[in-house]
Amino acid sequence: DGGITQSPKYLFRKEGQNVTLSCEQNLNHDAMYWYRQDPGQGLRLIYYSQIVNDFQKGDIAEGYSVSREKKESFPLTVTSAQKNPTAFYLCASSNGQGAGTGELFFGEGSRLTVL
Amino acid sequence: AQSVTQPDIHITVSEGASLELRCNYSYGATPYLFWYVQSPGQGLQLLLKYFSGDTLVQGIKGFEAEFKRSQSSFNLRKPSVHWSDAAEYFCAVGFTGGGNKLTFGTGTQLKVEL
Repeated sequence: DGGITQSPKYLFRKEGQNVTLSCEQNLNHDAMYWYRQDPGQGLRLIYYSQIVNDFQKGDIAEGYSVSREKKESFPLTVTSAQKNPTAFYLCASSNGQGAGTGELFFGEGSRLTVL
Repeated sequence: AQSVTQPDIHITVSEGASLELRCNYSYGATPYLFWYVQSPGQGLQLLLKYFSGDTLVQGIKGFEAEFKRSQSSFNLRKPSVHWSDAAEYFCAVGFTGGGNKLTFGTGTQLKVEL
């Protein structure tokens, strides 16, 4: 079945450590996105990529980094510079029309807790 | 910049009752509007979307929404709610030339009483 796979589903991290969240899609979508979800704040865009080897900052990119070396993969690294990393992270993809006009397909999310 | 407001944080309805979830947006041109649903600990699923044309759009699971330009609204409705509809609902807006981004509202948590 086509879809988006995020791993791990749950992740615990000590303060000061970097952690990488995986996102893989087999939908052949060009665009991929990372959102952060906090209770009562909806979804906020961290980074997005419209094509391989290219990505742009979203609204809350500070303390995060991404890469897009393959069409299928868009990993997110939460660095130690992110002051409040505990959150639910959602990866999404869309077809060539882009999220502004097309549907976003979401993974099931990764919950990161900083101890 | 565009924005989305969902004024109701929580809504409780009885099973079988009708439902309306409110969504207002702020954007100068005609936006592209979406409603998504999220079950606890899961990703989001698209319920319906409006791009152009008929202002009343039908979605999955018996949901519909109406685009009202004069009120900058895109409210979600369902005539008879089922217990399985309990979830969080998000309204989102996008637009051409917007860098392929969606802006989401803060969500409305729906509880269904049996």
